[in-house]
Amino acid sequence: GENVEQHPSTLSVQEGDSAVIKCTYSDSASNYFPWYKQELGKGPQLIIDIRSNVGEKKDQRIAVTLNKTAKHFSLHITETQPEDSAVYFCAASIGGTSYGKLTFGQGTILTVHP
Amino acid sequence: DVKVTQSSRYLVKRTGEKVFLECVQDMDHENMFWYRQDPGLGLRLIYFSYDVKMKEKGDIPEGYSVSREKKERFSLILESASTNQTSMYLCASMRAGGTYNEQFFGPGTRLTVL
Repeated sequence: GENVEQHPSTLSVQEGDSAVIKCTYSDSASNYFPWYKQELGKGPQLIIDIRSNVGEKKDQRIAVTLNKTAKHFSLHITETQPEDSAVYFCAASIGGTSYGKLTFGQGTILTVHP
Repeated sequence: DVKVTQSSRYLVKRTGEKVFLECVQDMDHENMFWYRQDPGLGLRLIYFSYDVKMKEKGDIPEGYSVSREKKERFSLILESASTNQTSMYLCASMRAGGTYNEQFFGPGTRLTVL
């Protein structure tokens, strides 16, 4: 089955700096790569996603890049703010008959210091 | 907005007890999922269901069972709780019809087995 590795496990930045979280996946059939943010005491929430036919996607201060050849994808957050502090999870999904099953990475605890 | 609710935020049970975790969604979603979340391991899929009375094993089904008698409700059952099942349990729901649909998560149940 699919295996997703996520790094780093913790990331500490100063407010205004950029943050980058990286993930690799093992199954070349995976074609959908969402990122979820989990705030304290809440369930994860989708913040951005990318499909395999796209190399990059941006939404205001967050962007995701995908390198299908190398089987890795990354989350970029610019101009970080304290409210960006959370746990971030990458995930991968194989399209078609998977019923939307996601394989998640191990998570990254992001702390943004004011 | 989609709302996924879980019956308890915190639960303490004793080894050997039968434990029921309940999840209800209000958006008529076909697919529902149960995950457990452990530090350093991310979210791991226990079971999922794509229709009433239908269930499929995820990556770590051992020691768990599920029930889906109504579309909006998906229950996770620990037949005989053990200490290694102490964890955060997250339920999610998703509209069917495509790999790219968002999963909506409940707030989680933190289960402690003594």
